[in-house]
Amino acid sequence: GAGVSQSPSNKVTEKGKDVELRCDPISGHTALYWYRQRLGQGLEFLIYFQGNSAPDKSGLPSDRFSAERTGESVSTLTIQRTQQEDSAVYLCASSLRLANGYEQYFGPGTRLTVT
Amino acid sequence: SQQGEEDPQALSIQEGENATMNCSYKTSINNLQWYRQNSGRGLVHLILIRSNEREKHSGRLRVTLDTSKKSSSLLITASRAADTASYFCATDGRGGSNYKLTFGKGTLLTVNP
Repeated sequence: GAGVSQSPSNKVTEKGKDVELRCDPISGHTALYWYRQRLGQGLEFLIYFQGNSAPDKSGLPSDRFSAERTGESVSTLTIQRTQQEDSAVYLCASSLRLANGYEQYFGPGTRLTVT
Repeated sequence: SQQGEEDPQALSIQEGENATMNCSYKTSINNLQWYRQNSGRGLVHLILIRSNEREKHSGRLRVTLDTSKKSSSLLITASRAADTASYFCATDGRGGSNYKLTFGKGTLLTVNP
């Protein structure tokens, strides 16, 4: 079946503009995650959605960042008034919510460049 | 320093040799996972080891976990040029936030043909 897909694959935007990144998780995966990866770094957790529960937004770096998810489907990460330090690859992942231990399936990421 | 730190940061070996990467973490965990990333894009899950397990194998991969030392190692045997990638360990937290994985900065493995 299809894996996690993300769009766009690359986005170049001017400082101060808003951007919207999209993630389509694997069908049936109740959990969805957004991460940010700066060049040469590990992944930073941004936000987690699980079914209809309130999302864990503890990783969002500022109030310019927000994310939504409709049910157990598509998620959108929005960055308002982009800054140069927002340049990074934004990765989405989904997983089944198992009792103990699960693997996350990652999309190919969106490379965001803020000029 | 971060939970889930890998070392070395970079490793270069010849095809056919074994590659060993290490990961250290700070807090108690339920599970530890290893992921692989090619060319700075999506990660691929390699293996998950639970906190009550000490060793796990998958093909040419061998993972060990020492919870007393809060460390794990990933061994790739008989490496191939196609194994060239960045390798990350990821740990989850005990309790209610066990869905939240914390990744290290990764080890960049280069396998020379």
